Amino acid sequence: RKEVEQDPGPFNVPEGATVAFNCTYSNSASQSFFWYRQDCRKEPKLLMSVYSSGNEDGRFTAQLNRASQYISLLIRDSKLSDSATYLCVVIRNTGGFKTIFGAGTRLFVKA
Amino acid sequence: EAQVTQNPRYLITVTGKKLTVTCSQNMNHEYMSWYRQDPGLGLRQIYYSMNVEVTDKGDVPEGYKVSRKEKRNFPLILESPSPNQTSLYFCASSLLIKQGTDTQYFGPGTRLTVL
Repeated sequence: RKEVEQDPGPFNVPEGATVAFNCTYSNSASQSFFWYRQDCRKEPKLLMSVYSSGNEDGRFTAQLNRASQYISLLIRDSKLSDSATYLCVVIRNTGGFKTIFGAGTRLFVKA
Repeated sequence: EAQVTQNPRYLITVTGKKLTVTCSQNMNHEYMSWYRQDPGLGLRQIYYSMNVEVTDKGDVPEGYKVSRKEKRNFPLILESPSPNQTSLYFCASSLLIKQGTDTQYFGPGTRLTVL
């Protein structure tokens, strides 16, 4: 079993739809959490940090449930430009800080 | 402009020929890291560094070496490349915060093919 698991996708949604991505992590030493976006094998870029209190940035909302070891990302009013791969990222404290990526979920938004 | 640079961007080489991929950042970040990305496997961490002269293994360190002699540079060395190291490589850097790393900024990637 992978340490960070995501919905495999792909998700195909029409413009304007709401879509939710889930991610689970298995190591309780995980300390910080992020969603990154990656376009077509380009470099990943930060979308949002994820906090237990939940955080929102425009159409994007991220949530962390430490008890269930679960992270979510909600995208409202999807745009064509949201088409990308969404990567769940966990930082684990092992004395140093290891970075673990989920395999990613591909999103296609269609007109 | 704040950035992470990698060189070369594309490299085709042959088995056993030593190579170095350079990575440099101009943001005074403590944390630097190398990843490889393969289809179906996502990004996997090769090595990371918490600061100058401090490096540690990620999940897939076999066949790779790194060094951190200066804060801005973190080269990745393949002493004897093999075809299973054909991959897309990313370097990243970040500030360190109490809980771990802050936003990681990625270089543009190096596409390596080992024949």
